[in-house]
Amino acid sequence: AQSVAQPEDQVNVAEGNPLTVKCTYSVSGNPYLFWYVQYPNRGLQFLLKYITGDNLVKGSYGFEAEFNKSQTSFHLKKPSALVSDSALYFCAVSDSMDTGRRALTFGSGTRLQVQP
Amino acid sequence: DSGVTQTPKHLITATGQRVTLRCSPRSGDLSVYWYQQSLDQGLQFLIQYYNGEERAKGNILERFSAQQFPDLHSELNLSSLELGDSALYFCASSVQKASTDTQYFGPGTRLTVL
Repeated sequence: AQSVAQPEDQVNVAEGNPLTVKCTYSVSGNPYLFWYVQYPNRGLQFLLKYITGDNLVKGSYGFEAEFNKSQTSFHLKKPSALVSDSALYFCAVSDSMDTGRRALTFGSGTRLQVQP
Repeated sequence: DSGVTQTPKHLITATGQRVTLRCSPRSGDLSVYWYQQSLDQGLQFLIQYYNGEERAKGNILERFSAQQFPDLHSELNLSSLELGDSALYFCASSVQKASTDTQYFGPGTRLTVL
């Protein structure tokens, strides 16, 4: 079965500093990895995904994520944080081997707080 | 705006009642997914439909059911409601049915069971 772990409930960073939100995964086959962001009282917004190819994936709003197969990780990064980046971030995975299930398995979420 | 619409935004009802949540996918998307978000369970996949047919089931209770209509909108029916069913229910849609497809989420329906 596929699973995702987001080890930090909250990440605090000062505006202008780089940020990292951590994600590790477990799948049987090849992982398809996604990052979503949720603002208060809003739905989830897609940021980026990794399917295959270059390990560094660039997404919306200046975010990027690095796929590391040996560490089974897919950490979300941004070179310079903005106060408006403060939100709840979810990592999700689907599994190439799990042909009966097309849905995403989500991590528990990490709250990012960017201080001015 | 993802292009996925959900109605109603909020729903307050009593235990034992039945409610229907509605979702319209993005134009052109054939797959619809339903997820439940609660404080204790996090985001959980409930069920997926593709072009009118059920494709996958997750942690969906027997009291819950869904369908996708010929115009591709979907409804999630929740019956014999319990306090623990209070949650945010999201619908998502994707173009096809592949695991690589990006799912786009609607704004959600917040269900409160009193």
